[in-house]
Amino acid sequence: EVVLTQSPATLSLSPGERATLSCRASQRVTSNLAWYQQKPGQPPRLLIYDSSIRAAGIPSRFSGSGSGTDFTLTISSLEPEDFAVYYCQQRSNWPSYTFGQGTKLEIK
Amino acid sequence: EVQLVESGGGLVKPGGSLRLSCVVSGFSVSGNYISWVRQAPGKGLEWVSIIYGGSSTYYADSVQGRFTISSHTSDNTLDLQMNSLRPDDTAVYYCATQIEANDALDAWGQGTMVTVSS
Repeated sequence: EVVLTQSPATLSLSPGERATLSCRASQRVTSNLAWYQQKPGQPPRLLIYDSSIRAAGIPSRFSGSGSGTDFTLTISSLEPEDFAVYYCQQRSNWPSYTFGQGTKLEIK
Repeated sequence: EVQLVESGGGLVKPGGSLRLSCVVSGFSVSGNYISWVRQAPGKGLEWVSIIYGGSSTYYADSVQGRFTISSHTSDNTLDLQMNSLRPDDTAVYYCATQIEANDALDAWGQGTMVTVSS
């Protein structure tokens, strides 16, 4: 079973800065990777799927990259509304979904 | 417009049962892969179960044998029957599906809270 490990657990940055979030798989991922954003009291919102495709309505400052075992979510210039928890997800163990443990992006 | 609305959560004692429902609109329950995903308080996301093709089902090991997922085309709803509940089943339960995204969940309900406690 593939395990996803996200790093760092917490990332402290200021608005306007660049954020780089990492997701590492315990073995090569045979399906593509997705990224979600979750704010308190809200369901997750899909940001990126197929490792690098932005979901509908997602701003261009969000981008995804990577393949194999190492994946990255980049937010080019942080807006105040971007501070939230981010999860990666893959589906190598089809049809189930596996999530990483999350990275909390907080205001410095 | 795609919508998913969960209901049925509440407080239940350990060993008890609860049935969650998810009313969907904008797509057919028989034509989509629809999942339940849960989130314990202050914790991350955990996939629970999926139904596709109206009758094919799959479960996480943590709920296998205790939970049953079903769908009903008559009213376009999804259910999760939860039996033998344990305190570690306490979580917000979301129904979610993939509409446009490949292998990802791009439509979510707002969730319903289940608390298992004596």
